[in-house]
Amino acid sequence: QVHLQESGPGLVKPSQTLSLTCTVSGGSIRSGNYYWSWIRQPAGKGLEWIGRIFLTGSTLYNPSLKSRVNISLDTSKNQIYLKMTSLTAADTAVYYCARDREQVFLDSWGQGALVTVSS
Amino acid sequence: DIQMTQSPSSLSASVGDRVTITCRASQNINGFVNWYQQKPGKAPELLIYSASALQSGVPSRFRGIGSGTEFTLTITSLQPEDFATYYCQQSFSTLFTFGPGTKVDMK
Repeated sequence: QVHLQESGPGLVKPSQTLSLTCTVSGGSIRSGNYYWSWIRQPAGKGLEWIGRIFLTGSTLYNPSLKSRVNISLDTSKNQIYLKMTSLTAADTAVYYCARDREQVFLDSWGQGALVTVSS
Repeated sequence: DIQMTQSPSSLSASVGDRVTITCRASQNINGFVNWYQQKPGKAPELLIYSASALQSGVPSRFRGIGSGTEFTLTITSLQPEDFATYYCQQSFSTLFTFGPGTKVDMK
């Protein structure tokens, strides 16, 4: 069974760049027709889809975040990455990575990484 | 963007109750709706995909139905472990959007 684990700094200063890593175990990100998505959730609020990547490197981003987000992957490390620039307090949230089945549903999620944007 | 709404935003119920949550889309999305359950401090978990297909390992008391713009998630007999927040999500557009959630708590 695939397992996803997010990692990264818990605290980032305003205007700086967030870098998160999603490490996948129990399966290769090269196998299957899977995409890999990032989703975030501010405390006490709902879910916001950030974007996704396919193993070819093809990406799609939420238009509201597109100018600040980059998703990439490293198949040799079985990792997916999220970079988000120009952070503000509004970006404070739990960030999840998830396996995206053919751009239809998200069937496996990481436990989430809390990111706080504060000076 | 396709907007998703849910009703009610919260409800109180007892173990054994039948619970129904409604999700509406801002346009016709055929059957491209998924439902997730989220417990406090945990990641969401997929319950239902493509409006009515039960994800592997999910109890059969969870049922999804709908097409077009209106969808429902029914829990036929609420169990103690079902107190949680439920989200719908559309995948008609590859730009996923989620409903605001419905919190089910204990009466």
